[in-house]
Amino acid sequence: GEDVEQSLFLSVREGDSSVINCTYTDSSSTYLYWYKQEPGAGLQLLTYIFSNMDMKQDQRLTVLLNKKDKHLSLRIADTQTGDSAIYFCAWGPFIGGGNKLTFGTGTQLKVEL
Amino acid sequence: DTAVSQTPKYLVTQMGNDKSIKCEQNLGHDTMYWYKQDSKKFLKIMFSYNNKELIINETVPNRFSPKSPDKAHLNLHINSLELGDSAVYFCASSQGAGATYEQYFGPGTRLTVT
Repeated sequence: GEDVEQSLFLSVREGDSSVINCTYTDSSSTYLYWYKQEPGAGLQLLTYIFSNMDMKQDQRLTVLLNKKDKHLSLRIADTQTGDSAIYFCAWGPFIGGGNKLTFGTGTQLKVEL
Repeated sequence: DTAVSQTPKYLVTQMGNDKSIKCEQNLGHDTMYWYKQDSKKFLKIMFSYNNKELIINETVPNRFSPKSPDKAHLNLHINSLELGDSAVYFCASSQGAGATYEQYFGPGTRLTVT
């Protein structure tokens, strides 16, 4: 958490787009991830982006990476009530350093009707 | 057909006790992990094993001792439990230890120390 910061809460209306932001300080890793945690459950990998990419789109999900500003974002299009969860960004490992992930502080997304 | 399972789901115990949390994965993965999530949802890795060998050992009190009897199991034993150990502990596994392997998480064990 001390290396990766996220805003705590985000509330959107169903059908709107959600944008969850993440700011990191350690720029030496290779992969960045977005995980979703539903109430009472473990984390589920949503998507990831390699550090030499600027954008990745996967159905309703768009990941943007701004390496200059050390900023990662996740956009969810047409947000649904089932998207309500906590979203964690995570900063991937060094090459050869094992799969050691550093997680952000998490953003609670609430989708209202 | 649960992929990563943990037992127990809830654990309430008193300070000073010793307890264990068990984790099993049926995915055939080589690498397993323990994470701790505190009350503020901050998630931090504790340990990782690859083919039963310890590869990640973060700054964790030595009261915590992981044990991997085989590739499918990674248990966490905690001695002399303290109030600050109260958290949700997640087990995870991945096919390998490299960066591109997705980690699959268990449902978590909520430990409450009173």
